[in-house]
Parts: sequence; C-alpha cells; structure tokens
Amino acid sequence: GESVGLHLPTLSVQEGDNSIINCAYSNSASDYFIWYKQESGKGPQFIIDIRSNMDKRQGQRVTVLLNKTVKHLSLQIAATQPGDSAVYFCAENYGGATNKLIFGTGTLLAVQP
Amino acid sequence: DAMVIQNPRYQVTQFGKPVTLSCSQTLNHNVMYWYQQKSSQAPKLLFHYYDKDFNNEADTPDNFQSRRPNTSFCFLDIRSPGLGDAAMYLCATSRVPDEQFFGPGTRLTVL
Repeated sequence: GESVGLHLPTLSVQEGDNSIINCAYSNSASDYFIWYKQESGKGPQFIIDIRSNMDKRQGQRVTVLLNKTVKHLSLQIAATQPGDSAVYFCAENYGGATNKLIFGTGTLLAVQP
Repeated sequence: DAMVIQNPRYQVTQFGKPVTLSCSQTLNHNVMYWYQQKSSQAPKLLFHYYDKDFNNEADTPDNFQSRRPNTSFCFLDIRSPGLGDAAMYLCATSRVPDEQFFGPGTRLTVL
C-alpha cells in the first residue's frame, strides 16, 4: 500500500478569527508564487498568486505577502469560516517558461466552530 | 464549465499489472503536468508536456511514462506498479505564465 506520510503542521483557529499561514521558499530566483487549497480527496484549488515584483496582493478575504529578503510567503485569511478547513500549499515557480512548480510541505487549517 | 477531467477517479490494480490514467482538458492550455501525491505530502511533479515536447523530471522512475496524443488529452502509464506507487495522481494544465489548474485526481491502489 501507500507509504506512511508525514504529519502536516496544523493551525487551529476559531471561526471568525483571522488565519495566517506561513511558507518559506527555497529558490531566490523564483519569480511567481501561488497558494493552493486542497480539501480531502480533491485536487488543489487556486486561491491567489503573486509575482516577485510585488510585496502584497489582496483577494476576497485573502491576502498574500511576499518577503523576498528572507524568502518568506504568507497567506492571511480574514474571518475564517468552517469551509476554509483544508490543507494549504504554497508553490514557487522554478521552471521559468514552463511554469514548473515546487510545492511547500503544506499546512492543515482546522477551523473550530 | 471548462475544466480538467481525470478518469477514473479511483483505480485498483495488481502488483506489476500495467495501468493507464487519463486526463483531459477543455481549457486549451498548452502545458499539461502529472504529479504524484502521497498521503499528507505535497504534490511532486513527475513530468510535463509543453505543447508536444515531453519534459521528464530527473528523479521520475522509468516505470512512469506519459503520452499526449493531442492538446486535450494526456495519459500517465505505469508499466509495472509497485506497492510504493500507490498514491493520488494529479493532472494539471496551464497557459504559461498563468497558474496551474488541477483536476480532481485519481486515487491508485496497488494490491
């Protein structure tokens, strides 16, 4: 069968609170970053992206911050809802023209009602 | 709606018995990717097609092959599945330089 997986870092928050999920990326030459949400048994779903010429980008209830100096990315979710419960992956584009991605290890967000 | 479709959603095969997973897209994207994702791990890129050009990742085992007969379809062939190949297999597409869109995945079980 399948090999035993790692235990994902977990962030537990109360419904209505803000969530911050952090990610360290590896390649200083990466110029494009994406956050994906993956619910159990489903494929990753695009949330928000940011290019290296920006420090911050906002979407609906989500904000991504990019700190190139320390190679750090964060995802902020405002007013977290039970439907936000999922695994969140950051990904960096290391493939240039072919948009190849390296995914971070993932964080499990558990929203408590 | 335009989307990435994977069939079957669940596949059971026997140790050593070849299996083919299918991916199709209605997005008309020029790049298609195959990922392997094991439990509680991040997706790992196996290979991708940029138009008709095949690009294999250096650490992808020879046991894994792929075919892209046209823009819409891409197949993942596992020639001799081992127990360690049991995983979720994800197909994704993109129109460079935009984000990748993922299919729902195929859960492969090897008995």
